[in-house]
Amino acid sequence: GQQVMQIPQYQHVQEGEDFTTYCNSSTTLSNIQWYKQRPGGHPVFLIQLVKSGEVKKQKRLTFQFGEAKKNSSLHITATQTTDVGTYFCLFIEMDSNYQLIWGAGTKLIIKP
Amino acid sequence: DAMVIQNPRYQVTQFGKPVTLSCSQTLNHNVMYWYQQKSSQAPKLLFHYYDKDFNNEADTPDNFQSRRPNTSFCFLDIRSPGLGDAAMYLCATSRDRLQGSYNEQFFGPGTRLTVL
Repeated sequence: GQQVMQIPQYQHVQEGEDFTTYCNSSTTLSNIQWYKQRPGGHPVFLIQLVKSGEVKKQKRLTFQFGEAKKNSSLHITATQTTDVGTYFCLFIEMDSNYQLIWGAGTKLIIKP
Repeated sequence: DAMVIQNPRYQVTQFGKPVTLSCSQTLNHNVMYWYQQKSSQAPKLLFHYYDKDFNNEADTPDNFQSRRPNTSFCFLDIRSPGLGDAAMYLCATSRDRLQGSYNEQFFGPGTRLTVL
């Protein structure tokens, strides 16, 4: 079956350093969404990528969708304490069956 | 404000005692989802409704059932909770499921279920 691998599981950074999380799929997929979940909170939608090779930016966040639509990344420049949380990718497959495949999440931890 | 509401926020039940969790939405979205999320894990989709069309995930145990009596409300019934069912249960909605269109998911705050 289709699988999504998200790495790393955790990333510890000093405030001001960059952060990146990667998602890879075993098959080509329709589109991808990214969500952020703060500690004790619920997932909140960040963005959706649909087109091959698409790049979108939201202030310090840059989202990319691979050319083959099998991988995606989220990069945060100059992390701030408000960025703390777990970032999940969600691959959506809309061919014969509607499937949602979540990555395991990457937890961003700011070192004190 | 339009939102997704879950009640109760915390639910304690006994092993084997049926429990029902509820979700309501004021967004008038077509799709409603139920997820189970355990500590430090990704949300696990249990099932979803597209309007009245029920879609069960293949690995969702029969112990979990759902009802959607109308657009606004959706219920999760756990017929015989086991210790392994202790988790956060998240309800989410999306306007539709079409590619590139209105399928952003809006999550409720969740119900934390404890099984004694």
